[in-house]
Amino acid sequence: GQQLNQSPQSMFIQEGEDVSMNCTSSSIFNTWLWYKQDPGEGPVLLIALYKAGELTSNGRLTAQFGITRKDSFLNISASIPSDVGIYFCAGQGFDRGSTLGRLYFGRGTQLTVWP
Amino acid sequence: DGGITQSPKYLFRKEGQNVTLSCEQNLNHDAMYWYRQDPGQGLRLIYYSQIVNDFQKGDIAEGYSVSREKKESFPLTVTSAQKNPTAFYLCASEGASTDTQYFGPGTRLTVL
Repeated sequence: GQQLNQSPQSMFIQEGEDVSMNCTSSSIFNTWLWYKQDPGEGPVLLIALYKAGELTSNGRLTAQFGITRKDSFLNISASIPSDVGIYFCAGQGFDRGSTLGRLYFGRGTQLTVWP
Repeated sequence: DGGITQSPKYLFRKEGQNVTLSCEQNLNHDAMYWYRQDPGQGLRLIYYSQIVNDFQKGDIAEGYSVSREKKESFPLTVTSAQKNPTAFYLCASEGASTDTQYFGPGTRLTVL
């Protein structure tokens, strides 16, 4: 399967700091998605990116779809305690012979915010 | 209230027993997915279904089975052949026009 490399694996920051995480892939994707997962819950979609070079914001979150279509980053500005959780990137690709696009996930970035 | 529901939230079973996890969606989505999540490993695809009565194996299908008899429902059976079934299981669905998957709240299965 296609591999996504997400970094960093974990981050420990103080409230108010900005955060940046990224994903890279050896394959081209047509869609990049960023999810946040709270403990014991399902991932919640934060931002969806559909076009190379696209820069999209959602409140304090900003994400970009890389020009090469093989990478994406997510920035969080002025972090707050409720930003704590695991952030996943996902790229949509196609298995050989299939017409159904499936998501490939990074391993996640665990964010801890100290008050 | 629209969305994806999974039940139960927590499930305990004895080793050697089959168990079925429920996933229902009222979003009128065609595609549905099952993922397994283990600590530090992200999400791994078990099975997916693009349309009723059709489904495909994902990356870790061994020891699992699914059915898709209705558009709204995609139950996952964890069989006794699954060597390490204790995990957090997530169901997702996707509409034809969105290219975006939405997740249910998950079921945590513990095999004793």
